[in-house]
Amino acid sequence: QKEVEQNSGPLSVPEGAIASLNCTYSDRGSQSFFWYRQYSGKSPELIMFIYSNGDKEDGRFTAQLNKASQYVSLLIRDSQPSDSATYLCAVNRGSGGYQKVTFGTGTKLQVIP
Amino acid sequence: DAGVIQSPRHEVTEMGQEVTLRCKPISGHNSLFWYRQTMMRGLELLIYFNNNVPIDDSGMPEDRFSAKMPNASFSTLKIQPSEPRDSAVYFCASSTRNLRSEQYFGPGTRLTVT
Repeated sequence: QKEVEQNSGPLSVPEGAIASLNCTYSDRGSQSFFWYRQYSGKSPELIMFIYSNGDKEDGRFTAQLNKASQYVSLLIRDSQPSDSATYLCAVNRGSGGYQKVTFGTGTKLQVIP
Repeated sequence: DAGVIQSPRHEVTEMGQEVTLRCKPISGHNSLFWYRQTMMRGLELLIYFNNNVPIDDSGMPEDRFSAKMPNASFSTLKIQPSEPRDSAVYFCASSTRNLRSEQYFGPGTRLTVT
């Protein structure tokens, strides 16, 4: 089992729809969870982070965390063509001040105008 | 802040040659990461430094790869000898030591080994 798993996609949604991206992780000791967006040919950039069970909203983005199910998701409301990118889930299972970050392989999102 | 700086941005070399990639982290960040990204394997952590000390190098593929961080503002990743299968985009990222801190990625170095 991979430490962090994502569906590679592509996930295609029409403009204005909700895009739902999912990620599962294997280590129950994981403490912090991140969603990065990576445009083609560019470096990853952080869009959301979440530490506690439940939902966290930031503009059109909502991150959801369920530690019991070892599941984290990202919802993008009112999807725009500019949201077309690969979304990487990252999980930090470090301790004692030392990081142990693992990235998923990413889900490619295509927003169709 | 200029962000994480990497050089060169592109490198084309022949098999067997030595390749050195360079990274300058964001000032004040004490954690530095080297990643390799390919279509097949995604983003893989190669090595992680904390306060200039290598903490986790379990991702370094083999002895051909080595990394150093002589001071807080500079790190190198060296491949010697290079092989075609090393062709990838290599990213450097930095962060604070906090487990909840995000990583800031440099623009990457696209390495092609022919």
